[in-house]
Order: sequence, then C-alpha cells, then structure tokens
Amino acid sequence: QKEVEQDPGPLSVPEGAIVSLNCTYSNSAFQYFMWYRQYSRKGPELLMYTYSSGNKEDGRFTAQVDKSSKYISLFIRDSQPSDSATYLCAMTLDSNYQLIWGAGTKLIIKP
Amino acid sequence: DTGVSQDPRHKITKRGQNVTFRCDPISEHNRLYWYRQTLGQGPEFLTYFQNEAQLEKSRLLSDRFSAERPKGSFSTLEIQRTEQGDSAMYLCASGRTGQPQHFGDGTRLSIL
Repeated sequence: QKEVEQDPGPLSVPEGAIVSLNCTYSNSAFQYFMWYRQYSRKGPELLMYTYSSGNKEDGRFTAQVDKSSKYISLFIRDSQPSDSATYLCAMTLDSNYQLIWGAGTKLIIKP
Repeated sequence: DTGVSQDPRHKITKRGQNVTFRCDPISEHNRLYWYRQTLGQGPEFLTYFQNEAQLEKSRLLSDRFSAERPKGSFSTLEIQRTEQGDSAMYLCASGRTGQPQHFGDGTRLSIL
C-alpha cells in the first residue's frame, strides 16, 4: 500500500462546476500538506500549502486537511478550461524534508 | 525572482552513456532537492542539499547517480552508465528553510 493514495482519474466536469480532489494517507506524523498543479511537460506548480488540520482559502481554491481521518481535499470553484491539468497532493513530516506524493489526478474542464 | 531553472529540457542518449543535468535554484534559497518522475506517477525523492551539504540520499539513488552543489549555488546531477529504467523526468526544487518547495520544469531523459 502506498503512503499517499490519490485517484488518477481522469475527472471530467463542465466549466463553472465545483471540483473536489482528494488524497488519503497512512502516516499520522505528516504535518505539512500541499497541492501542486502540473501541466503537460512542465514542473509542479505550488497551489496551496497548509500546516496541520483546518481550511485555507486562496481565490477560487480551498484546501482542507482532516488529520483525524488522514484525508485532504482541494476544492476549485468556478472551474475554467485553463484549470485542466494534473493535480498532485504532497505531504511531509517537516517543512524542510522530502515530499511524499500522490500519483496525481488528471482534471479536464469541458467548455 | 526568476524561478528554478533546469538545463537541458530534454536529453536523448544511448544506453551506457553518462549524462549530467544542471539546476539553478531561486536565488537565496538555501535548500535544493532532486526528484524523479515517471509517467502517471508523482515525483520520487532522490536527494537534497542544505547550502553545499548533501543531507540525505534516497535508496533510489544508486551508485551510478551522483549529485553536487558546489558553493551552495547551482547543482548538478550525473547519471553514469545510463540504463533504460533511467528514462524519466528529473525535477529540481528549491526552498528557504521552513518554506515550501518550488519546482523547475525538469529535464526529460530518454534512453535509446
């Protein structure tokens, strides 16, 4: 079993819909949680960075962390075709340490 | 802040050859990381530096792989005697202590 599980998709939704992306993990010691967006042939781009449990909002993006359930989510409101990409969750024990990644979910926003 | 820069973007080589990749981190970022990513998977950690010191290496980093960060600035990753299984995207990231990692666009390695 992988340390971080993420549904690979693809997830296809119409433009304007609310998107929900999720990851589960097994190591209760993880403290820092991140969401990255990756376009084809590009590197991961940091979207959200949270510490411990709780919610964080940045524009159309909201990240949620539930440490008791070992479950993190990313919500995208008013989705746009330009949001079509692969979304990767990552987490770590310490902010300076190596990241442990999910496999990524491919998201397709249909115009 | 010009972002993390990696060179080359794409490298094609024959099996058995040596290859070297370069990473220029965001200026003043003291930490530098190397990851490897294959198609449909998340990145896998290879190694990281704090300034010029290599602090950790993954067991994925066989003795054919070596990384350096002279003077705590740019870093190089060398693969000797390349094998088919080395074909992947090699990603570099940098960050300040206590801050998240920012990635370059990677070097895509293709082994013929």
